[in-house]
Amino acid sequence: QSVLTQPPSVSAAPGQKVTISCSGSSSNIETNYVSWYQQLPGTAPKLLIYDNNKRPSGIPDRFSGSKSGTSATLGITGLQTGDEADYYCGTWDNSLRAAVFGGGTKLTVL
Amino acid sequence: QITLKESGPTLVKPTQTLTLTCTFSGFSLTTTGVGVGWIRQPPGKALEWLALIYWDDDKRYSPSLKSRLTITRDTSKNQVVLTMTNMDPVDTATYYCAHSRTRYSDYVYYYSGMHVWGQGTTVTVSS
Repeated sequence: QSVLTQPPSVSAAPGQKVTISCSGSSSNIETNYVSWYQQLPGTAPKLLIYDNNKRPSGIPDRFSGSKSGTSATLGITGLQTGDEADYYCGTWDNSLRAAVFGGGTKLTVL
Repeated sequence: QITLKESGPTLVKPTQTLTLTCTFSGFSLTTTGVGVGWIRQPPGKALEWLALIYWDDDKRYSPSLKSRLTITRDTSKNQVVLTMTNMDPVDTATYYCAHSRTRYSDYVYYYSGMHVWGQGTTVTVSS
C-alpha cells in the first residue's frame, strides 16, 4: 500500500489530454515538493516534473504539473503513442522522514 | 552531463548481504544541496524508495527497511554504496541509484526529487 495514491490506469486517444492524480496528506504533498516520473517499458524512470511544476531541460511543455493542498496532478496534452508508459508521483514525507512514491499509473494511448 | 551506473551481484542467496555500488560522474556529492539515492522495483511492481545520502553525509532510510540498510559514500571515488542484509526472495528487484537535488527555501532544504537515474541493476535472490 503506497503512501501516495494514484489511479492504476488511465487512457485517452492520440491528440487528446489526460490528467493523472496523486493524493497524499498534510505530512507529504501539502508541505513538500512533488515530482513526477515517466517509465517507458523496459527502461529506467525519467524525471518529468520537479518542484510541483518545473520541467527539466528537454521535457516538452506538453507535460505539466500542479499541486493543491494534499493532491497533485500531472497533465499531458497532445497525447502520442510514445507517451504510453507508467507514471509515478513522488515527494517527501515529514512523518516518515523518507521519500515516497505513488503506486504508479499506466497510461494507454488508444 | 550527469550519469550514474549501478554495479553488484546479479544473484544472491537468501540470508546473504547485498552490496551495490553506484558510480557517478558530472557532479560532486560534496556540493551543497546534492544527494544520491537508491530505489528498487520488483518485477511488475511499483517503485520503492530505499535510502538517500546527502552532501553533508546526512542519511535517510525507508522506515520499513531501515534495520537492514546502510548507505555510505566515497567522495574521492564518486561512489555511493548500499548494503542490504538478510536478503530474501521478496527482495528480488531492479535496483536504481539516482542523483537527487534539494531546494533551499525559508532556511530549509526541501527534497526536490530524483533528477537523473542510472540504468538499474537486476538482483535475484534465490538459493
